[in-house]
Amino acid sequence: DAGVIQSPRHEVTEMGQEVTLRCKPISGHDYLFWYRQTMMRGLELLIYFNNNVPIDDSGMPEDRFSAKMPNASFSTLKIQPSEPRDSAVYFCASSFGLAGDNEQFFGPGTRLTVL
Amino acid sequence: AQKITQTQPGMFVQEKEAVTLDCTYDTSDPSYGLFWYKQPSSGEMIFLIYQGSYDQQNATEGRYSLNFQKARKSANLVISASQLGDSAMYFCAMREGEASGGSYIPTFGRGTSLIVHP
Repeated sequence: DAGVIQSPRHEVTEMGQEVTLRCKPISGHDYLFWYRQTMMRGLELLIYFNNNVPIDDSGMPEDRFSAKMPNASFSTLKIQPSEPRDSAVYFCASSFGLAGDNEQFFGPGTRLTVL
Repeated sequence: AQKITQTQPGMFVQEKEAVTLDCTYDTSDPSYGLFWYKQPSSGEMIFLIYQGSYDQQNATEGRYSLNFQKARKSANLVISASQLGDSAMYFCAMREGEASGGSYIPTFGRGTSLIVHP
């Protein structure tokens, strides 16, 4: 099993540019999560999907952030325009379900640097 | 209020010794779950162990065990026979149900950095 796949692994961009992060969840997992990790704020949930439908996007910092899941095997997180304070590691995770011992499987993360 | 508290920002242990990483939680939900994840320097988050609030016995997975003290609301991770490869950040997380206004989405603590010395 390939695990959760994220691309790119590293992204360096300039302020004002559009950034698109990509995620392929584990096949058969119904839930997909986008997290952001920073030293200041720790690991924050941005948004999660159930069966490709966004359920809770209350963690999305502002309108510059958007996420889509056009099908069960692909999701994107877009930042437009990007700002230096968006620099962080962005994780995608997936799981079979939410209850019980259904753990989240995390991707390797995308390290984003906005100059 | 913090849902998950990890009071040890950094811990050091000698190789082959046991180490306990602390985690306390706050919930009014009678049904909840506790998770521990490991994040090595390479960055990925690796699931280690799970404890359900109704589980009668402490969870164990190889060298990892969870010291679950429900009345104290603590779920400490015990790593036995530490290895150099155990050096990493360790995160405690809690999943609450709707009874306490939760959403079943795990909330993560700030983590503890563990360094294993040879």
